[in-house]
Amino acid sequence: GQQVMQIPQYQHVQEGEDFTTYCNSSTTLSNIQWYKQRPGGHPVFLIQLVKSGEVKKQKRLTFQFGEAKKNSSLHITATQTTDVGTYFCAAQIQGAQKLVFGQGTRLTINP
Amino acid sequence: ETGVTQSPTHLIKTRGQQVTLRCSSQSGHNTVSWYQQALGQGPQFIFQYYREEENGRGNFPPRFSGLQFPNYSSELNVNALELDDSALYLCASSSLPGNTIYFGEGSWLTVV
Repeated sequence: GQQVMQIPQYQHVQEGEDFTTYCNSSTTLSNIQWYKQRPGGHPVFLIQLVKSGEVKKQKRLTFQFGEAKKNSSLHITATQTTDVGTYFCAAQIQGAQKLVFGQGTRLTINP
Repeated sequence: ETGVTQSPTHLIKTRGQQVTLRCSSQSGHNTVSWYQQALGQGPQFIFQYYREEENGRGNFPPRFSGLQFPNYSSELNVNALELDDSALYLCASSSLPGNTIYFGEGSWLTVV
């Protein structure tokens, strides 16, 4: 079935360093969504990207959607300990109602 | 707070038993989706209900069944529980199929 590949699986950084997670699909996506899940918590919606080449920013977070609408990235500038958690991309495949989630990138931070 | 509430929050069942999980959607939302999240994995789509009808199903066996009520709340039923069914079960509601979904806090199921 449709898969969304997300890398890396884990990332450990020093507080203040940047962090990036990447999401790739073999097929064109209707949109891509990003979620954050804190340890022991549930996924929390961060943002949705719809347009080809779209870039959106939320404070220190920058989200990009590829020109071909097959890949996306989330970049965090100057990480803080509050950024700890697992970041998931989720793709809504064209014509389908379900979301297909990537495997997630677990971010840990050394203060 | 997303306004999506799930119960119970934690439960332990024995292999072969049946379980019912419940979800109340956010006010104004008529679409409910259920996801299974195994430890260390991303959520996997089980099925979606829209206006009391199943509106899409993932790759889960028939022993996973659901229901949506006129008030748009929903149930997930799992029969003949297996050890691999141990997971976090997430309910998510949206205003329409395909719109942004908002997750509840989930029900942690342990099958022993």
